Amino acid sequence: AQSVAQPEDQVNVAEGNPLTVKCTYSVSGNPYLFWYVQYPNRGLQFLLKYITGDNLVKGSYGFEAEFNKSQTSFHLKKPSALVSDSALYFCAVRDSLGTPLVFGKGTRLSVIA
Amino acid sequence: GAVVSQHPSRVICKSGTSVKIECRSLDFQATTMFWYRQFPKQSLMLMATSNEGSKATYEQGVEKDKFLINHASLTLSTLTVTSAHPEDSSFYICSLRGGTDTQYFGPGTRLTVL
Repeated sequence: AQSVAQPEDQVNVAEGNPLTVKCTYSVSGNPYLFWYVQYPNRGLQFLLKYITGDNLVKGSYGFEAEFNKSQTSFHLKKPSALVSDSALYFCAVRDSLGTPLVFGKGTRLSVIA
Repeated sequence: GAVVSQHPSRVICKSGTSVKIECRSLDFQATTMFWYRQFPKQSLMLMATSNEGSKATYEQGVEKDKFLINHASLTLSTLTVTSAHPEDSSFYICSLRGGTDTQYFGPGTRLTVL
């Protein structure tokens, strides 16, 4: 069975600084990896995904993530954080057989002006 | 990506009543939709997979008689919480998988049972 770990409940970063939100996964076979963002009382918005190809994936709003197979990680990054990036971020994984997404517990990002 | 709507966005009901939540795909025909539940400050937990024209597949621990799912067409799935109780209060989110392996999510429905 697949699983996702987001080791940090909260990440605080100053505006303009780079940010990283960590994610590690476990899945049988090749992983399909996703990042979503959730604002208060809203559904999830898709940020980016890794299916195959380049290990560095670029997504919406300047976010990117790097797939590292040996470390089974898919950390979310952004070179320069904005206050508006403050939200709840979820990493998710599924296998290649079409199973539903399994989510990490989420990491709350707070960007301080 | 696919556009997913949910109705209602918020509902407050009395204990013992039933509540129906609709999930619509506005621009994609989805043979499969997913229903998730999210408690405050927690992650999304998959409740069931809704299949058009057939019975839903429920995750372990989810009562199928409590949470009725009907996938009536390729663009509509409904979740009915029957005989709701305060512990059913939660944020319910539907999702569908678009043609590019990406799952898209509705805006969610906040259910409060008094």
